[in-house]
Amino acid sequence: DTEVTQTPKHLVMGMTNKKSLKCEQHMGHRAMYWYKQKAKKPPELMFVYSYEKLSINESVPSRFSPECPNSSLLNLHLHALQPEDSALYLCASSQVLSRSSYNEQFFGPGTRLTVL
Amino acid sequence: GQNIDQPTEMTATEGAIVQINCTYQTSGFNGLFWYQQHAGEAPTFLSYNVLDGLEEKGRFSSFLSRSKGYSYLLLKELQMKDSASYLCAVRVPISSGSARQLTFGSGTQLTVLP
Repeated sequence: DTEVTQTPKHLVMGMTNKKSLKCEQHMGHRAMYWYKQKAKKPPELMFVYSYEKLSINESVPSRFSPECPNSSLLNLHLHALQPEDSALYLCASSQVLSRSSYNEQFFGPGTRLTVL
Repeated sequence: GQNIDQPTEMTATEGAIVQINCTYQTSGFNGLFWYQQHAGEAPTFLSYNVLDGLEEKGRFSSFLSRSKGYSYLLLKELQMKDSASYLCAVRVPISSGSARQLTFGSGTQLTVLP
């Protein structure tokens, strides 16, 4: 299994809603990532989890709350979002660096989020 | 800070060869990746360079010069389906844990014309 899956594919939410994005991989990767991508822009890193511990938070507002319940799952909890948070949210995973591996990041298909 | 530069747009003709350049200035270097991204889809891995030189993979080749902070992606025998955004990404070490962070360039939108 060389796939990263994300649900839902599309999400529309109001500014007062609480929702969660889910990401799953079964490749044994111990690093997982959340990216935000606006139209015609590159992915911007939000969070990195390494061995289920948060290792990078790129100064992301607290209305985004990541969670890594186990080595295969990564969630992004959303609360009180703003319309400018509308974007494609990409999850990725990779092996943690080892001498023989170049640990490319495998991306999921993304969740297209619209905040009204 | 991290700085990765790529041309914004390129146009080429079906069957031709195109070279997409990437220059980088980053705090640390643990490899350079090229990704292809079609509109509305996730990035897909194309190539990886960590040592100087050329890596060839079918119609795609990637070159790296670490001393110059320079890479290029070469696409041969262009096909219409190659129209996409091509992202150059540099892996930089981070201080905690042993995961590595990817910093992406802004992407080059390639349009292949018939």
